[in-house]
Amino acid sequence: DAKTTQPNSMESNEEEPVHLPCNHSTISGTDYIHWYRQLPSQGPEYVIHGLTSNVNNRMASLAIAEDRKSSTLILHRATLRDAAVYYCIRREMGADGLTFGKGTHLIIQP
Amino acid sequence: KAGVTQTPRYLIKTRGQQVTLSCSPISGHRSVSWYQQTPGQGLQFLFEYFSETQRNKGNFPGRFSGRQFSNSRSEMNVSTLELGDSALYLCASSTTPGAQETQYFGPGTRLLVL
Repeated sequence: DAKTTQPNSMESNEEEPVHLPCNHSTISGTDYIHWYRQLPSQGPEYVIHGLTSNVNNRMASLAIAEDRKSSTLILHRATLRDAAVYYCIRREMGADGLTFGKGTHLIIQP
Repeated sequence: KAGVTQTPRYLIKTRGQQVTLSCSPISGHRSVSWYQQTPGQGLQFLFEYFSETQRNKGNFPGRFSGRQFSNSRSEMNVSTLELGDSALYLCASSTTPGAQETQYFGPGTRLLVL
């Protein structure tokens, strides 16, 4: 049970913003939302995480809904190197590692 | 700072054999987790070690085991290999365990069981 729901795939154009949605309607108050991505033939790579408020780092932004039942990963200006599978993970306190779902396959068109 | 390293990168074994995979975490990281990735099941959590103790274990048979050494390096062992054990085995390290901790993954060991 991945505990999150994401679209199977999304397509965007290079140099445009990308908004990757994630639904986590059964989230509890102490669960963190993590995003990882996996490029072809590589191990997963951390992108960003948050608990309640929106978060920004050099890679992306994370917008968490006020009720915390959904979140959106924002890539401000996609490049071809951002083509990957993006995983939204709900991480519970004391959780057994990271529970990966099927993720969203992001395709970037030049 | 060097990243997570895993050895070997590729391995071919036959059914019934056993295999040991090694993981060296990022310097200063004391928590190590292992994952199995297959096309059918995706990424699945195997187990997590912290301070030489197994904290959590995923839903895998007892043929899968691991350990962590005092220098935080970790090994996982699979005994009596089956064809279905063919997978990419990933190791990840973090400073400590915890829901807010970031895990840093290695490149993985690709195991093929014939």
